[in-house]
Amino acid sequence: EPEVTQTPSHQVTQMGQEVILRCVPISNHLYFYWYRQILGQKVEFLVSFYNNEISEKSEIFDDQFSVERPDGSNFTLKIRSTKLEDSAMYFCASSVDTQYFGPGTRLTVL
Amino acid sequence: QKEVEQNSGPLSVPEGAIASLNCTYSDRGSQSFFWYRQYSGKSPELIMSIYSNGDKEDGRFTAQLNKASQYVSLLIRDSQPSDSATYLCAVGSGKSFQKLVFGTGTRLLVSP
Repeated sequence: EPEVTQTPSHQVTQMGQEVILRCVPISNHLYFYWYRQILGQKVEFLVSFYNNEISEKSEIFDDQFSVERPDGSNFTLKIRSTKLEDSAMYFCASSVDTQYFGPGTRLTVL
Repeated sequence: QKEVEQNSGPLSVPEGAIASLNCTYSDRGSQSFFWYRQYSGKSPELIMSIYSNGDKEDGRFTAQLNKASQYVSLLIRDSQPSDSATYLCAVGSGKSFQKLVFGTGTRLLVSP
């Protein structure tokens, strides 16, 4: 059964550094998403991506964040100048109509 | 701010019982509703989607939607210890209803 994959599973970085989180959506899906979940809190929408452009973004998704689909399979989330409060699980999801989530990347900012 | 509300629990039921999980939402225009299961440290796993008023059954799971009351529920029949997890209610929102707004989740504990 096709599934969303994400790499790395765990990323540790120093405050102020840039990180890139990678996702491979399910191959026939058209919509791609990033969500985050801070430990003990709810899953929060960051951004949706369709037809090679951002279709919607949340207030959290400010200039520190960017997304890209660099080729036909990968979907990336870049976080510039990371802050302590960016520590969270980051989930990629893809959909035709129903969203399926990848296993997540745990980002730890020290 | 569009909100999705759930009782955080824990909801404790014995093995074999019916577990009833509830969710209310604030956006009256919402069209799509989902239940995800999340084990500790893992990602949300889709259980069911529902789009129309009424009941939708899939195996041991039944989702119920009442748009007039802005209420969604999930029934789990014959609960098993492996059903112990946090159950997340999610509502499609935003411009194209592709953005999911999640509740905080209800923790379910099924005791053998």
